[in-house]
Amino acid sequence: EAGVTQFPSHSVIEKGQTVTLRCDPISGHDNLYWYRRVMGKEIKFLLHFVKESKQDESGMPNNRFLAERTGGTYSTLKVQPAELEDSGVYFCASRDNSYEQYFGPGTRLTVT
Amino acid sequence: AQSVTQLDSHVSVSEGTPVLLRCNYSSSYSPSLFWYVQHPNKGLQLLLKYTSAATLVKGINGFEAEFKKSETSFHLTKPSAHMSDAAEYFCVVSEDPTGANNLFFGTGTRLTVIP
Repeated sequence: EAGVTQFPSHSVIEKGQTVTLRCDPISGHDNLYWYRRVMGKEIKFLLHFVKESKQDESGMPNNRFLAERTGGTYSTLKVQPAELEDSGVYFCASRDNSYEQYFGPGTRLTVT
Repeated sequence: AQSVTQLDSHVSVSEGTPVLLRCNYSSSYSPSLFWYVQHPNKGLQLLLKYTSAATLVKGINGFEAEFKKSETSFHLTKPSAHMSDAAEYFCVVSEDPTGANNLFFGTGTRLTVIP
């Protein structure tokens, strides 16, 4: 069974540009989460989808971040316009009806 | 409010010697506690989970952790380190009774295993 996949693995963009990160969860997992780890700090929750609905978006830092999960399958996280402090590793996780979240390898975003 | 403190950002051990990765938590309720591991270029993998059952929790790859409420600790141990244990380890707390949501991560401990 394929795990959670994320694309791209690494993205380097300039301040003010737009970047879209993609997450493909494990097939059949209704729950999908986005997390972010800023360098040297802890991994922090961004938001949680149940199917295509946003269950909890309390961790989204500001309105430059837009997450979507059309059709309840893959999800995208768009940052527009990107700022220097958005640099970090963005993780996606998915979960079925059990408690365990399965994490992807992350996308490393560098904003210069 | 919930939080996690991993007391060591880096731990270095020799192969075959014991591993101790320390974690203290703060939680208003009876928490669920986890340890996750991340190997290079891989996703985080669940090592073990505590959810108010037995205080000594056994996980994968020979790791175990003991929940000590009086000390608010959940330290991760392994009797004998293997080269493949080199990775970054995260202690995680959740006030969700199932532990399925609302995960709060520590800052991570990078384990180096010396041959």
